[in-house]
Amino acid sequence: DGGITQSPKYLFRKEGQNVTLSCEQNLNHDAMYWYRQDPGQGLRLIYYSQIVNDFQKGDIAEGYSVSREKKESFPLTVTSAQKNPTAFYLCASSIEIWRRGMNTEAFFGQGTRLTVV
Amino acid sequence: AQKVTQAQTEISVVEKEDVTLDCVYETRDTTYYLFWYKQPPSGELVFLIRRNSFDEQNEISGRYSWNFQKSTSSFNFTITASQVVDSAVYFCALSNFGNEKLTFGTGTRLTIIP
Repeated sequence: DGGITQSPKYLFRKEGQNVTLSCEQNLNHDAMYWYRQDPGQGLRLIYYSQIVNDFQKGDIAEGYSVSREKKESFPLTVTSAQKNPTAFYLCASSIEIWRRGMNTEAFFGQGTRLTVV
Repeated sequence: AQKVTQAQTEISVVEKEDVTLDCVYETRDTTYYLFWYKQPPSGELVFLIRRNSFDEQNEISGRYSWNFQKSTSSFNFTITASQVVDSAVYFCALSNFGNEKLTFGTGTRLTIIP
C-alpha cells in the first residue's frame, strides 16, 4: 500500500542529544514537509522540500535540520539547540503544484512523539 | 500574512445530533485553497476536503457537508447525525496558490457522547 511511514512512533531523548526522525513515502510525491504539533497550537511548519537536494525553512526551523538526498526520504534531526523539543512531529507529502496546476492535499504519516527526559 | 481561526476549542454533543465546526480565515491572496483534516486518536491527519477560492458551492459527502462563504471568510463543516466514530480533532487549513505550505487553525476537539 502507498503511504507515508514515520519511525519510531515514540522517541525519548536526553537533554543535549541530537535525534533523527525518519520519514519515508512511496507515493512518488515531489514535496515533503515536517510539522510540529503542540497542545492547543495546531500544526506549525518546520521545514519543507519541493525537490531532491533542496529544502526551505518553515516558520519554526531553529534547532532543526533536514536533508533530502532521495525523493522518498526526508529525515528530520532535532538538535540540542532546540530549546523545547518535546512535541508530536508529523511528516507529510504532496504532489507538486506544477504537475496539477493547483494546490493539492497533503498526506500525513502517523507521527512521532518525542519526549525529552 | 495568513491566519486560520477555529474559535471552538472543544465541542461535545450527544450521538445523532448535528454539529457544526467553524473556521474563519484571513489571506491577502485572491486565489487560495481551504482544507479540512480529521485527526483521530491514532494521530495521523486524514484529508477530508479541498476547496479553491473560486468555487463557493457547498459540498455534501454522506453525513459531512461544507459551507464556504467568501463574504464572511468562513469555511464551516457540519456533521449530520453524528456518530461516536466522528470523535476526533478537526483542523481547518489554508494555502495560497503556488505555495503548498499549509497554515493550520488550532483545531476543534469533537467528542460524540453515546
